[in-house]
Amino acid sequence: AQSVAQPEDQVNVAEGNPLTVKCTYSVSGNPYLFWYVQYPNRGLQFLLKYITGDNLVKGSYGFEAEFNKSQTSFHLKKPSALVSDSALYFCAVRGSGRGSTLGRLYFGRGTQLTVWP
Amino acid sequence: GAGVSQSPRYKVAKRGQDVALRCDPISGHVSLFWYQQALGQGPEFLTYFQNEAQLDKSGLPSDRFFAERPEGSVSTLKIQRTQQEDSAVYLCASSSGLNTNQPQHFGDGTRLSIL
Repeated sequence: AQSVAQPEDQVNVAEGNPLTVKCTYSVSGNPYLFWYVQYPNRGLQFLLKYITGDNLVKGSYGFEAEFNKSQTSFHLKKPSALVSDSALYFCAVRGSGRGSTLGRLYFGRGTQLTVWP
Repeated sequence: GAGVSQSPRYKVAKRGQDVALRCDPISGHVSLFWYQQALGQGPEFLTYFQNEAQLDKSGLPSDRFFAERPEGSVSTLKIQRTQQEDSAVYLCASSSGLNTNQPQHFGDGTRLSIL
């Protein structure tokens, strides 16, 4: 069974400081991992993905994420936070094996990021 | 625009009424997904189409929920005899294939409120 855990409901950080939003996953087979961002009253916007290859993945708006297989983690990071980064962030995993669940995403509960000036 | 379009953006219905939610995926995208997002939660999978074929409907919460995509493009999610617990945001997403590395692209959703 696939699942995602985001252990922090909220993350607060000062503008200009580095930020980390945590995610751990459980999946059978090789994981396909994604980060999405959601602004109020909007759908989810894709940030980045890990499929295979380098453990450090770079994505949109200066975000990056580090895949750690031994810790089953995929934490989202940014070296210098902006006030405009304040939003709801979702980690998701997609199973890569055969079967009817292929393609569907399993989301965490989300982490509200607040960057204060 | 070139993104996923959903309509209506907001829908208010009385308990017991039927509702229909529409999704226009990105042109050429063969895969289409519906998700339900309750307040304060992450999206939960409802159903999946590959072209016009509904390959997975295991997430539909009851037989009151029905989805179709008859021509492999526009999709409609129908909820019959709505109940208060159906109140949520319904998100549609599309992607260019199934066995690819492409992410799912989401619409802005339909916020459904059942009174």
